[in-house]
Amino acid sequence: SQKIEQNSEALNIQEGKTATLTCNYTNYSPAYLQWYRQDPGRGPVFLLLIRENEKEKRKERLKVTFDTTLKQSLFHITASQPADSATYLCALETGTGGGADGLTFGKGTHLIIQP
Amino acid sequence: GAVVSQHPSRVICKSGTSVKIECRSLDFQATTMFWYRQFPKQSLMLMATSNEGSKATYEQGVEKDKFLINHASLTLSTLTVTSAHPEDSSFYICSTFVGGYETQYFGPGTRLLVL
Repeated sequence: SQKIEQNSEALNIQEGKTATLTCNYTNYSPAYLQWYRQDPGRGPVFLLLIRENEKEKRKERLKVTFDTTLKQSLFHITASQPADSATYLCALETGTGGGADGLTFGKGTHLIIQP
Repeated sequence: GAVVSQHPSRVICKSGTSVKIECRSLDFQATTMFWYRQFPKQSLMLMATSNEGSKATYEQGVEKDKFLINHASLTLSTLTVTSAHPEDSSFYICSTFVGGYETQYFGPGTRLLVL
């Protein structure tokens, strides 16, 4: 089964700077990789999905890269704001893709944006 | 707006009792729903896949007789924790697909505390 590692449990960034979060996975390369945001006591909220044939994807201040050779995805938040403080989760489908599979999640990186 | 709801949001029960958690899709039909469990500072762990009109598929290590899943309609899946014990105390979250089989939309979660 897939194992997902995220770079640290807590990451402190000063407001206005770029936050970079890392997601590494083992075993097979997935057809796509997803990033979610989770606030305390709430369910995850979908942010971005990047496919294996895509190197980079952007959405407003968010950018995701996907390197299938390194088995790694980087998640960037530019011009970070205190409201970006949350736990960010990396997720892959549990199966080999192509079906209605559940997700395997990393433990998440707790991001704190300091004013 | 929210596409998946859960009820209750929080429940406290005595050891040995059973607890039912509901997951509803709002304004759309969900043939597949997923149930996850999250312990403090841990990743979300997929428990089972709930399929409308058929038996649920459980992940390895999840007791199907303890965690009963019923998906009797296209908008409702229920998870019943039978004979709950303190170690079952956790955050239970459901999810489903909306438009395709990639991105998942999560409910707000149910906090279960077994005394």
